[in-house]
Parts: sequence; structure tokens; C-alpha cells
Amino acid sequence: DGGITQSPKYLFRKEGQNVTLSCEQNLNHDAMYWYRQDPGQGLRLIYYSQIVNDFQKGDIAEGYSVSREKKESFPLTVTSAQKNPTAFYLCASSRTGDRQPQHFGDGTRLSIL
Amino acid sequence: GENVEQHPSTLSVQEGDSAVIKCTYSDSASNYFPWYKQELGKGPQLIIDIRSNVGEKKDQRIAVTLNKTAKHFSLHITETQPEDSAVYFCAAFNNDMRFGAGTRLTVKP
Repeated sequence: DGGITQSPKYLFRKEGQNVTLSCEQNLNHDAMYWYRQDPGQGLRLIYYSQIVNDFQKGDIAEGYSVSREKKESFPLTVTSAQKNPTAFYLCASSRTGDRQPQHFGDGTRLSIL
Repeated sequence: GENVEQHPSTLSVQEGDSAVIKCTYSDSASNYFPWYKQELGKGPQLIIDIRSNVGEKKDQRIAVTLNKTAKHFSLHITETQPEDSAVYFCAAFNNDMRFGAGTRLTVKP
């Protein structure tokens, strides 16, 4: 079955540490997205990529970085500059770069030690 | 920018009853309105969507209605079942997707 795989499911970060969240899709979708989900709030866009080797900042990109070297992969790095990283992170994709996510992964929950 | 408000934040219904979740949006240029279902520990799943040139769309037990004049749209679930229990999110799109804060629906057997 086609879908989006996020790993790990749970991740812990120490002070001053960068961590990378993995997102892989086998849907052959052009566009991929990273969202942050906090309790009682709607999803907020961190970064999105319409095609390989191209990505744009979303509403809350500060303290995060991404790369898109392969169509299937869109890893997100949460840097030490992100002062409030505790959240549920969701990766999504869409067939075209229309900024309308169609499929989501099952998320990674990041916590601070 | 677009602002999407969703009500209620929690909803509890008896199995077999109907459930209605409402969203309002601020940007009259928004033209696409999806609904997502998120089960515990999972990512959101697109369950139904509607575009601005349509007033209503149905898919088995779920339906979405759109009132462009009033700038609100609603999700209707009929004959609810315990497996409908989840958090439901609405969203509105105009160049960017904006999400509501979610409604936690509990269907009691």
C-alpha cells in the first residue's frame, strides 16, 4: 500500500541538540509538507516542497530546516534555535504542488528531556 | 490572512444519532474546504471535501454543506458509530491551507 512513513514515532531532545525527523513517501507525489500540531490548535505549516531541490518556508519556519534531495524523502531538522520544540509533527504530501495536502503520515511526537 | 474557527471543541453523541460540526472562515476568496479525521496517535485522514462552486456533497454517512454568503461550512455525520469517535478538523484554502482547532467527537455505544 502507498503511504507516508514517519520515524521515529517518539523522539526526545536534549538542550542544545539538533534532531532530525524522517518522512518517506511512496505515493510518487511531487509536493511534501511539514506541519506542527499543538493541543487545541490547528495545524501550522513549517515548510513545504513542491519539487525536488526546492522548498519554501511556511508560517513557523524559524528554528527548523529541511532538505529535499529525493522525491520520496523530506526530512525535518529541529535545531537548538527552536526554543519550544515539544509538539506532534506531521508530514504530508499531495500529487501536485497545489499546497493542498492529501495524505498524512502518523506523526512524530517530540519531547524535551 | 485567513482565519478558521471551528465549533464545538468537543461533542458527545449517542450511537445512531447525528453529529454536526461547524466552521466559519474569514477570507471570501477561499475556494476549497476539506475535512480531516484524526484518530488517536495517527495522522489526519482526508474524509470529504467541497469546492466553492458546490453547495453540498455527500459520501455515504457523511456530508458537507457550504454557505459562501455566510462564509461557513459544516460536516454532518448521520447514524454515528463508535468508530466515528475521533478529532475532526476543517480547513479553508486560498493559496494556503488554514486549519480549524479541531472537534473531539465521542460516540457512546
